[in-house]
Amino acid sequence: KAGVTQTPRYLIKTRGQQVTLSCSPISGHRSVSWYQQTPGQGLQFLFEYFSETQRNKGNFPGRFSGRQFSNSRSEMNVSTLELGDSALYLCASSGVPGTEAFFGQGTRLTVV
Amino acid sequence: DQQVKQNSPSLSVQEGRISILNCDYTNSMFDYFLWYKKYPAEGPTFLISISSIKDKNEDGRFTVFLNKSAKHLSLHIVPSQPGDSAVYFCAASSPTRDDKIIFGKGTRLHILP
Repeated sequence: KAGVTQTPRYLIKTRGQQVTLSCSPISGHRSVSWYQQTPGQGLQFLFEYFSETQRNKGNFPGRFSGRQFSNSRSEMNVSTLELGDSALYLCASSGVPGTEAFFGQGTRLTVV
Repeated sequence: DQQVKQNSPSLSVQEGRISILNCDYTNSMFDYFLWYKKYPAEGPTFLISISSIKDKNEDGRFTVFLNKSAKHLSLHIVPSQPGDSAVYFCAASSPTRDDKIIFGKGTRLHILP
């Protein structure tokens, strides 16, 4: 059974640009969550989708958005990138929302 | 407001001894708790979970203890092995009310030879 796949693995963008990250969940999982990891801050919750609906959102500015498609694949978008957006962005999928979540390897975003 | 707290940023333990990682939570609505392990440049890997109806759950070398009255949980690793050196994240959720899983900031475990 394939795990959670995130693309791309690495990304370098310039301040002010926008970026789209992609996540394919484990087959059969309908819940997808996104997290931002920065040094010393742990994993900060961005948002969670279930059956194409955003059910939870963390305390991030509106520049961070996401969506989920009918095949459960999810994308997150960050507009008007800032230097502080440099982080590891992790996607996780769950069979039962709020229980064991399985993570992808993450996308390392660097904003210069 | 940090709802899941791991107060020890790092911990060093001799190989073969017991590693004990601690976690506190503030939200009494949490009723499901998880531990994850993370190596650099990889996503976190699920280790073990516990529901609030239990106070202990074991899986091989890993045991999680839950003290609901103290809002405290701990992960015991016995015996500790070199491959256990990683960052460990405690997490909590309330699956019947809310889907999001909230993570602590992590504890870096060093297993010493």
